[in-house]
Amino acid sequence: AQTVTQSQPEMSVQEAETVTLSCTYDTSESDYYLFWYKQPPSRQMILVIRQEAYKQQNATENRFSVNFQKAAKSFSLKISDSQLGDAAMYFCAYRANYGGSQGNLIFGKGTKLSVKP
Amino acid sequence: GAGVSQSPSNKVTEKGKDVELRCDPISGHTALYWYRQSLGQGLEFLIYFQGNSAPDKSGLPSDRFSAERTGGSVSTLTIQRTQQEDSAVYLCASSLALLTGVTNYGYTFGSGTRLTVV
Repeated sequence: AQTVTQSQPEMSVQEAETVTLSCTYDTSESDYYLFWYKQPPSRQMILVIRQEAYKQQNATENRFSVNFQKAAKSFSLKISDSQLGDAAMYFCAYRANYGGSQGNLIFGKGTKLSVKP
Repeated sequence: GAGVSQSPSNKVTEKGKDVELRCDPISGHTALYWYRQSLGQGLEFLIYFQGNSAPDKSGLPSDRFSAERTGGSVSTLTIQRTQQEDSAVYLCASSLALLTGVTNYGYTFGSGTRLTVV
């Protein structure tokens, strides 16, 4: 069974600084997707960034980038120039990509990010 | 609708009562997912629908949980004889189709229903 592990329950960063959130996963599949979601107090999950496992190039979305290490099954999120609005719960998620897949996401337990002004 | 709508936003119920949680997905989205988020935990997958069909119900925590979807649209998650351990946020998500969750359309999540069993 696939699992996702986030080893940092809480992280803190100074405004304008850079922070890295860790995520490791376990799967026997070779074709899959990885995601980082942000959950503010409104509870709605917001997609931050996604990575296709077959792509070697790390995904980047503005201030957000990932370090995808497929062999190590590691998928960390780097937030540059942190802003107060980045404060939230961040979830790493995995989704298999094969014909029989249900398409559901498997989530880690999350990392609570605080941003200090 | 423009987004995924869930109701009620919050629900407090007495132990032993039945509750119904509603999810109204984005119009045209054929795939719909239910997740449970307990305090301090990640999201636990419960069940998915492709159209009105739920092929695999093994993710439901117990036989007190059931779900249905009608008209390929609104879905209802029902919990019978609620217990305190059922207290959680129940999130619904939809996507255009089962395997297009990673396209530009992605998954759209609702804001969830916070269920408290007292």
